[in-house]
Amino acid sequence: GAVVSQHPSRVICKSGTSVKIECRSLDFQATTMFWYRQFPKQSLMLMATSNEGSKATYEQGVEKDKFLINHASLTLSTLTVTSAHPEDSSFYICSARDLGTGVWTEAFFGQGTRLTVV
Amino acid sequence: GNSVTQMEGPVTLSEEAFLTINCTYTATGYPSLFWYVQYPGEGLQLLLKATKADDKGSNKGFEATYRKETTSFHLEKGSVQVSDSAVYFCALSDQRLTGGGNKLTFGTGTQLKVEL
Repeated sequence: GAVVSQHPSRVICKSGTSVKIECRSLDFQATTMFWYRQFPKQSLMLMATSNEGSKATYEQGVEKDKFLINHASLTLSTLTVTSAHPEDSSFYICSARDLGTGVWTEAFFGQGTRLTVV
Repeated sequence: GNSVTQMEGPVTLSEEAFLTINCTYTATGYPSLFWYVQYPGEGLQLLLKATKADDKGSNKGFEATYRKETTSFHLEKGSVQVSDSAVYFCALSDQRLTGGGNKLTFGTGTQLKVEL
């Protein structure tokens, strides 16, 4: 299957700093990328949907000024957690949709990023 | 709204035992149903899928049948192996095309541990 690479896999940052997470589709074009957050022992919660070249659509309750998403190309989307606080510590996962697979499609997932804010 | 409910884990089995992980859903319309697997330290991988009622998805010895009458999509495997130890997520996708992609709604995940 298609490969989605997410980087970094783990990051520890100080409270108040910003962290950028990259999500790349390695062998296909991803017009749409999804960003999820996973709390311990809980499900993946969709944070936002980004389409290449346009603004991301955020789910209700997700602060768009805190979680900045940029999808500047068909192979790269970034999530920046701004002014991070300990409560932002979580596992963040991206997924990408293949351009050419029709109305519904398999979503390919990155490996996830474990963010710890100290 | 859409929701997915799956059995809590962890589920601990001996190798070669029979596996069932229950999954039920609530959705409007005609969703597609999925099982994803997450091995330790890795991202989610699609295990199997079904797009309409009575469809059976199967892969790597796992199978699940889309049961509209019971709104269920239970995952089964006849003989599990240690290498099947992972977290399994049931999910559904709204069939409607929204902004270029379909959102996935996930269950909470069920951890499976297979011991020798």
